[in-house]
Amino acid sequence: AQSVTQPDIHITVSEGASLELRCNYSYGATPYLFWYVQSPGQGLQLLLKYFSGDTLVQGIKGFEAEFKRSQSSFNLRKPSVHWSDAAEYFCAVDLYNTDKLIFGTGTRLQVFP
Amino acid sequence: EAQVTQNPRYLITVTGKKLTVTCSQNMNHEYMSWYRQDPGLGLRQIYYSMNVEVTDKGDVPEGYKVSRKEKRNFPLILESPSPNQTSLYFCASNSRAGTWETQYFGPGTRLLVL
Repeated sequence: AQSVTQPDIHITVSEGASLELRCNYSYGATPYLFWYVQSPGQGLQLLLKYFSGDTLVQGIKGFEAEFKRSQSSFNLRKPSVHWSDAAEYFCAVDLYNTDKLIFGTGTRLQVFP
Repeated sequence: EAQVTQNPRYLITVTGKKLTVTCSQNMNHEYMSWYRQDPGLGLRQIYYSMNVEVTDKGDVPEGYKVSRKEKRNFPLILESPSPNQTSLYFCASNSRAGTWETQYFGPGTRLLVL
């Protein structure tokens, strides 16, 4: 079945440590790919997107993501996490012919001082 | 300021009592949608609208209705709420379908159905 998978439900890191959140998709073609962040009590905010071209994309708040076609992955990274990065992160895909955005189940990030 | 507003932000109701959650955007966006967010399930689309008087079902439309009589408003209607509709609801809008980089989300409505 076609899907978007975020295998890590909950991740805990220390402030200043590096971070990688995983996202895999299972679709025949390469969809458009997105990462969103949801801070506690807030709506979703777009961090970055991949449509085509350079497979390493830069986003806001110091985040980046790398698209790997061979692995059907679009992992989110940050070299040094700040306490304010504690939030829930969602990967999402846009399937070209469906006018819909499909979200993964989310990864909750906890940051310890 | 560009924004999507939802009301109410919090709602407790009882099974079977009709309710409406309003959603309004001030960006003249064509595309609007409703999502529900549940732990472990992420966001799932309930209904979406490509433009005025054009609505379509998302992935989990059962038990919900919508209307799009004006471009700015996209209310979500629960005719007979049930406890399994207890959830966090988000309205979103973007300039048109597929322009996800311009998508704005509302602040969310937390609904509890007893």
